[in-house]
Amino acid sequence: KNQVEQSPQSLIILEGKNCTLQCNYTVSPFSNLRWYKQDTGRGPVSLTIMTFSENTKSNGRYTATLDADTKQSSLHITASQLSDSASYICVVSRGLGGYNKLIFGAGTRLAVHP
Amino acid sequence: ETGVTQSPTHLIKTRGQQVTLRCSSQSGHNTVSWYQQALGQGPQFIFQYYREEENGRGNFPPRFSGLQFPNYSSELNVNALELDDSALYLCASSLGQTGSYNEQFFGPGTRLTVL
Repeated sequence: KNQVEQSPQSLIILEGKNCTLQCNYTVSPFSNLRWYKQDTGRGPVSLTIMTFSENTKSNGRYTATLDADTKQSSLHITASQLSDSASYICVVSRGLGGYNKLIFGAGTRLAVHP
Repeated sequence: ETGVTQSPTHLIKTRGQQVTLRCSSQSGHNTVSWYQQALGQGPQFIFQYYREEENGRGNFPPRFSGLQFPNYSSELNVNALELDDSALYLCASSLGQTGSYNEQFFGPGTRLTVL
């Protein structure tokens, strides 16, 4: 079954600290993996997109890693800020020829406290 | 802001009614995808329209239908509303089909409540 599982479900950290969010997937055939940030009541915003051959990609204080062999990805947030409080969603794109179907994880809800 | 707009922002309907949600894609984008996001869950793919034709569909019943217009804006129609249809409905646009490296840009969503 094509699934994306994220952990932890929720996380609370203090402002300025680092954190790492995990994503495991069983999606096949794999096309690419994306991380999105979703503020409450808003649409998701893309942070990174990685293909099979990419191991790491950064976007400011966000760094995503991908291990296609173990089907795992992580999102590392450095020097967290209050504005980082949001849900972070891991999305795996399943290559189906004519179009790629996106399989979404349930997200990790991050709260950054002062 | 992504340039993708959705209307209305919020909507309250009763069971059995029909609803139409609207989406205007980002300028130049020819592909629109619709998602249903229940509270505390990730978005679930409903269907995708590419150049006015449906070219992919998730596990949703036929009472979920859609349209894409020549200007690439789109509608999501839901008939015979059920309580479980209460969710945030997201529209996302992209240039080309959601494949390879095509990035999707999401709208702010329409919050539908079915009573």
